[in-house]
Amino acid sequence: AQSVTQLGSHVSVSEGALVLLRCNYSSSVPPYLFWYVQYPNQGLQLLLKYTTGATLVKGINGFEAEFKKSETSFHLTKPSAHMSDAAEYFCAASHNAGNMLTFGGGTRLMVKP
Amino acid sequence: DAGVTQSPTHLIKTRGQQVTLRCSPKSGHDTVSWYQQALGQGPQFIFQYYEEEERQRGNFPDRFSGHQFPNYSSELNVNALLLGDSALYLCASSLVPGQGNTIYFGEGSWLTVV
Repeated sequence: AQSVTQLGSHVSVSEGALVLLRCNYSSSVPPYLFWYVQYPNQGLQLLLKYTTGATLVKGINGFEAEFKKSETSFHLTKPSAHMSDAAEYFCAASHNAGNMLTFGGGTRLMVKP
Repeated sequence: DAGVTQSPTHLIKTRGQQVTLRCSPKSGHDTVSWYQQALGQGPQFIFQYYEEEERQRGNFPDRFSGHQFPNYSSELNVNALLLGDSALYLCASSLVPGQGNTIYFGEGSWLTVV
């Protein structure tokens, strides 16, 4: 069975600092990978996705992620954190034709002024 | 263009009762999936509907059932509610099931079982 692991349930950075949120997947075949953001009391918003092609994926709000098959990773980064980035971030993988998503446990990003 | 809409946004039910949650997919989407998100956890897949049939199901008991209507909207029904069913229920829509299609989520229905 496929699984997604997010290292660090809580990450705290200072405003303007680099954001790095880690995601690893377990699958013998590289899955399709997604990052979603969830603001308090809201649903999930897609930040970016990797399907095929370029391994460096750019998303909304200045976020990007790199698919590394050798490391089975899909870490999310942003060069400079903004206060509005404070939210819960979920990494997810889809492996079958039905688009069923398997989510990681989430990482809460806190941004300090 | 309306996104995925869900109703109700919040509801409180008593143990043993039944609940129905509703979802309208994003315009043009014909596939609806339901996820349960317990507090502090990632969403878990319940099931997916396409062409009015349940196509895939996650590890949830038969108390969880659903339906998709000809206009692609969907309902999630939960019978014999347990305290552990308290969660945010998210509806997601996409186009015909295909690899890597973008999946859009609604804002969810908060269910509290007391």
